[in-house]
Amino acid sequence: GAVVSQHPSRVICKSGTSVKIECRSLDFQATTMFWYRQFPKKSLMLMATSNEGSKATYEQGVEKDKFLINHASLTLSTLTVTSAHPEDSSFYICSARGQGSNEQFFGPGTRLTVL
Amino acid sequence: AQSVTQLGSHVSVSEGALVLLRCNYSSSVPPYLFWYVQYPNQGLQLLLKYTTGATLVKGINGFEAEFKKSETSFHLTKPSAHMSDAAEYFCAVTTFTGFQKLVFGTGTRLLVSP
Repeated sequence: GAVVSQHPSRVICKSGTSVKIECRSLDFQATTMFWYRQFPKKSLMLMATSNEGSKATYEQGVEKDKFLINHASLTLSTLTVTSAHPEDSSFYICSARGQGSNEQFFGPGTRLTVL
Repeated sequence: AQSVTQLGSHVSVSEGALVLLRCNYSSSVPPYLFWYVQYPNQGLQLLLKYTTGATLVKGINGFEAEFKKSETSFHLTKPSAHMSDAAEYFCAVTTFTGFQKLVFGTGTRLLVSP
């Protein structure tokens, strides 16, 4: 149980285009989802926290207009990187937490490369 | 606010040797503590966690960790390393309030030699 999927696993796009990454909880209802960014050989940096039906809460320094997060249902959250640039290339990981749970379940990550 | 310090970005052991990965935390309220493992180009897998109760927690793959409040530590150990244990390990802290945001350490890469 407690499986989280991400799609796509890898994406390559041209500079200036937008990319959408999906995060799904497959076998539980995720009241809270988290989006992280991981630079090569670095730790995970929390970008934002989203609760189903509410606006996401962004961490300091994360551009909300650049990284659009939608959590429209209890099983799906999306991260859209708008007008992507090479510096947005990174490994993006989502996690999901069910109501009343103290544990986050992580997706397998999405490798974004912006050319 | 919480923080985590992992001493040693790399730890090298021989197969069969003891594994010790260090984690110290800072929290103004009782913490929840986690150890995660990450294999290349993959997400994080939970090894073990401490919330309340027994301070020695056992996890998957033979790993265990002990919560020591007096030392603000949560070191990860395994008696005998396997080649398959080679990976990146992250210690993380959160609290039971709010959104329970995880704060991660910088990670420790475990290298296992034959």
